[in-house]
Amino acid sequence: DQQVKQNSPSLSVQEGRISILNCDYTNSMFDYFLWYKKYPAEGPTFLISISSIKDKNEDGRFTVFLNKSAKHLSLHIVPSQPGDSAVYFCAVFPYNNNDMRFGAGTRLTVKP
Amino acid sequence: DVKVTQSSRYLVKRTGEKVFLECVQDMDHENMFWYRQDPGLGLRLIYFSYDVKMKEKGDIPEGYSVSREKKERFSLILESASTNQTSMYLCASSLSGQVGGEKLFFGSGTQLSVL
Repeated sequence: DQQVKQNSPSLSVQEGRISILNCDYTNSMFDYFLWYKKYPAEGPTFLISISSIKDKNEDGRFTVFLNKSAKHLSLHIVPSQPGDSAVYFCAVFPYNNNDMRFGAGTRLTVKP
Repeated sequence: DVKVTQSSRYLVKRTGEKVFLECVQDMDHENMFWYRQDPGLGLRLIYFSYDVKMKEKGDIPEGYSVSREKKERFSLILESASTNQTSMYLCASSLSGQVGGEKLFFGSGTQLSVL
């Protein structure tokens, strides 16, 4: 039972352009939605989050959008940089317990 | 900065061996987690613990057990390793509660190969 789905295993964009990573979830009871970034040989690191009461959260070049009616989450990176090349995981977090669920990840490659 | 340390970066074990993966965090976090990462499957939760001596099953607990005798340490145990347990294992910790609890801090991972 996959509660979080990232349907694109990979994405390639040119430096300076926008990267859009997408995520769908199945359960309406999640309270926080997050994006983590993972470089090879390192653990994932927290990137940005959004609570269920908002529809947008921005942090520098990174913006997360939440569409609750569509159960859809997206991450926009503008402008994309080669250092953004990594695997991006979306995650969902319910208030009623402490376990977080992750998607399968999308490998982003930003070409110089 | 929060530091989550996993005892081994790479580990090679034989089928049937008992395997211990150790994880230590230095930020007094209440919650600790074990995930495994497999290609195409992302991160799947094995077990988590919200307090000393407490544990909860995640999505894939079969074949694993855990131990949390001290707040800072969370161990994952493979009682009898099998080849399908070859994977990248990631430990994480977080604060308890709604504020801050949504952010996990991960270790660098242990790549376990079972031959």
